[in-house]
Amino acid sequence: QQPVQSPQAVILREGEDAVINCSSSKALYSVHWYRQKHGEAPVFLMILLKGGEQKGHEKISASFNEKKQQSSLYLTASQLSYSGTYFCGTESGDYKLSFGAGTTVTVRA
Amino acid sequence: NAGVMQNPRHLVRRRGQEARLRCSPMKGHSHVYWYRQLPEEGLKFMVYLQKENIIDESGMPKERFSAEFPKEGPSILRIQQVVRGDSAAYFCASSPVALKTDTQYFGPGTRLTVL
Repeated sequence: QQPVQSPQAVILREGEDAVINCSSSKALYSVHWYRQKHGEAPVFLMILLKGGEQKGHEKISASFNEKKQQSSLYLTASQLSYSGTYFCGTESGDYKLSFGAGTTVTVRA
Repeated sequence: NAGVMQNPRHLVRRRGQEARLRCSPMKGHSHVYWYRQLPEEGLKFMVYLQKENIIDESGMPKERFSAEFPKEGPSILRIQQVVRGDSAAYFCASSPVALKTDTQYFGPGTRLTVL
């Protein structure tokens, strides 16, 4: 089952903050966040592992609540380059990722 | 260090023809995953392979679709007798280890158009 992302879309002005949420009905071992720009490949942002380890983009922050099976991605002081569609991918012990439907972020000057 | 390579980047086929999509993983990566993405939608898992083995093909249609990752050479996703509904972007990703401890990196994708 694919995770549920919210919101579906968000519009920001440069410098504003936003939070993207990802929720799963299954127990999670890891959560992976990607950003995809139109017509391009998804680009890795961050991985959050069961037990608290995180690896990823130094300017991106995220949280992982293992008990609630939820993760949130925090976009702080947004820049124009943050525009794109953000996907969370969840891994539940089966060595593959299930992706949410995506959150489209538009940052305007 | 070159990233994940996919070719061709764009592929046009007529209904009933075969499509072959190739993926060369990053150096040192032995795990390969294929995803399909329809316009304005998310990525749908198709198949997970390691060298010479199919680990999980639960997302792949049982008919017309097949995948391989031979000992030498790229991974191949093969679609026989293509139909218009096969039109999509197909992304390959690779990882150095299983996904519990590391992530996967995507290639640029192959955009398949079936006329």
